[in-house]
Amino acid sequence: DAKTTQPPSMDCAEGRAANLPCNHSTISGNEYVYWYRQIHSQGPQYIIHGLKNNETNEMASLIITEDRKSSTLILPHATLRDTAVYYCIVRVARTGTASKLTFGTGTRLQVTL
Amino acid sequence: DAGVTQSPTHLIKTRGQQVTLRCSPKSGHDTVSWYQQALGQGPQFIFQYYEEEERQRGNFPDRFSGHQFPNYSSELNVNALLLGDSALYLCASSFVRNQETQYFGPGTRLLVL
Repeated sequence: DAKTTQPPSMDCAEGRAANLPCNHSTISGNEYVYWYRQIHSQGPQYIIHGLKNNETNEMASLIITEDRKSSTLILPHATLRDTAVYYCIVRVARTGTASKLTFGTGTRLQVTL
Repeated sequence: DAGVTQSPTHLIKTRGQQVTLRCSPKSGHDTVSWYQQALGQGPQFIFQYYEEEERQRGNFPDRFSGHQFPNYSSELNVNALLLGDSALYLCASSFVRNQETQYFGPGTRLLVL
């Protein structure tokens, strides 16, 4: 699985958009980009994933560059409850068995008043 | 719809002892993956079970073993505990045929003294 690079920490004011970048320059054509977050040692929470196209759900938007070498997770209106470690993971799509997730160190997002 | 559940939530053991952790997958899921998360680190993949067999394994010694039952629930066993086995142990479930997203449980925090 491709490796990812994320900034170790970011700050965001409550109510503003939080834009979390991820570099995955060695991503392969069959690898998805997944985002999870972990709030204070709880289990990681799935946020969103995508292959080529931009994706949006009730939690966030995922913007993937055309060359797929980087992506940005957008939390449109950050709240204090969004303070967490955010992990960007690339994961191969494989039939027959579900592929493992390889976590890096993530980005620690601090949302402030 | 019940999510992934794990038991116990916390556990204290001494070096050399053995421990068994349990996981019940999300309804409709047939695959269980186990991860170890040391303090300040991202989760590390231990192994994955599907159809009651170990399908993938990470870089963990044979002291770590598992089992999956016909109802898809799973156990993680660790023998001859070391101080370094102190960690948050996470279980994630998914539905293998659709390469579905892995959803995590709350974890079991193990402290080895």
